[in-house]
Amino acid sequence: DVKVTQSSRYLVKRTGEKVFLECVQDMDHENMFWYRQDPGLGLRLIYFSYDVKMKEKGDIPEGYSVSREKKERFSLILESASTNQTSMYLCASSYSRVDYGYTFGSGTRLTVV
Amino acid sequence: AQSVTQLDSQVPVFEEAPVELRCNYSSSVSVYLFWYVQYPNQGLQLLLKYLSGSTLVKGINGFEAEFNKSQTSFHLRKPSVHISDTAEYFCAVSDLSGNTGKLIFGQGTTLQVKP
Repeated sequence: DVKVTQSSRYLVKRTGEKVFLECVQDMDHENMFWYRQDPGLGLRLIYFSYDVKMKEKGDIPEGYSVSREKKERFSLILESASTNQTSMYLCASSYSRVDYGYTFGSGTRLTVV
Repeated sequence: AQSVTQLDSQVPVFEEAPVELRCNYSSSVSVYLFWYVQYPNQGLQLLLKYLSGSTLVKGINGFEAEFNKSQTSFHLRKPSVHISDTAEYFCAVSDLSGNTGKLIFGQGTTLQVKP
């Protein structure tokens, strides 16, 4: 089975800190995605990537950036964390741009204080 | 732009009763449709998907969904629920513009199964 691993299950950071959320998949998937999940809002796409060093903005990219230096790793970066970025962050991957079957990681619950 | 609406934010139901979770989407083109489930403190896992063919799709754990093109709906059903089905359920539709492999998710429905 494909595994998507998010490095931290829970994180607590201070306002203004630079935060890195790491995601690694082990099955040579091309596509990788970062979503944030908030009650009543469902999942909202922050950024996605369909190749190494490629990135595309999703629906809510403000305040975030991403890095994909290797195919298996997709990092989400909060340049200067703010309290409104307190959320559950979910990473997902899929085989290609015509394959919509996502595999999700377990999520990182980030609290910014 | 495509969108997905899950009509109920919470659905309480007694154990062994049938359940239907409703999902409508807006799109003028052909779509792929998905249901995902999220158990407490876990990521999402795929329940079932419709890509083409038969409009009745069967998934894991006894769930099924019916694609209705005229009503742009993809409702999820289970004839008899268990306590272990308590979870959040997400409907999703493929974004076929730009060939990016993106999914658009609904707001989620919390299924609460009571003993």
